[in-house]
Amino acid sequence: EAGVAQSPRYKIIEKRQSVAFWCNPISGHATLYWYQQILGQGPKLLIQFQNNGVVDDSQLPKDRFSAERLKGVDSTLKIQPAKLEDSAVYLCASSFDSYSPLHFGNGTRLTVT
Amino acid sequence: AQSVTQLDSQVPVFEEAPVELRCNYSSSVSVYLFWYVQYPNQGLQLLLKYLSGSTLVKGINGFEAEFNKSQTSFHLRKPSVHISDTAEYFCAVNGGPTDKLIFGTGTRLQVFP
Repeated sequence: EAGVAQSPRYKIIEKRQSVAFWCNPISGHATLYWYQQILGQGPKLLIQFQNNGVVDDSQLPKDRFSAERLKGVDSTLKIQPAKLEDSAVYLCASSFDSYSPLHFGNGTRLTVT
Repeated sequence: AQSVTQLDSQVPVFEEAPVELRCNYSSSVSVYLFWYVQYPNQGLQLLLKYLSGSTLVKGINGFEAEFNKSQTSFHLRKPSVHISDTAEYFCAVNGGPTDKLIFGTGTRLQVFP
């Protein structure tokens, strides 16, 4: 089966600019996650979707971060405006349901200068 | 809230030697425990998981882990490592199938020839 697809792989922007990341989960996976992985730290959950509804966004900085999952398939994570501390790898993961193992994409490495 | 501690940030080891990567979690009534591996510039891949039953869990690539409730530990072991095992290893925990997955800070395993 095809894995979780993410794009772009790398992005460099200046602070206060906007950026968007795209994720296409494994076909049939109802649950989709966005994680932020700062260098030297473990992944931190930003938001979890079940189909196109939000299950958990308690750690999403809502003043600058937004995410959507239209039609319960693809998802987009946006940062506007970006700060230096947003430099990290953004990982998308999907699972068949919330009881199943997570499958991760290769991530998008964001550098904010 | 659940938490995970990986005391060793780096573990250097020679090829064909045994290795143990340590993981301790905060005590809870019930826990589900996981080990993920992350190769350079890739997403995370599930190595093994403990949900219930036998405390010795076998995973992919010859890895195994033992759930020790009294010591709140879930250490990862491999009797003989290979160069290709060089990667970052993350321990993770949640309190149930619908609970948020909490990751440790990771242990970098470096295998030398």
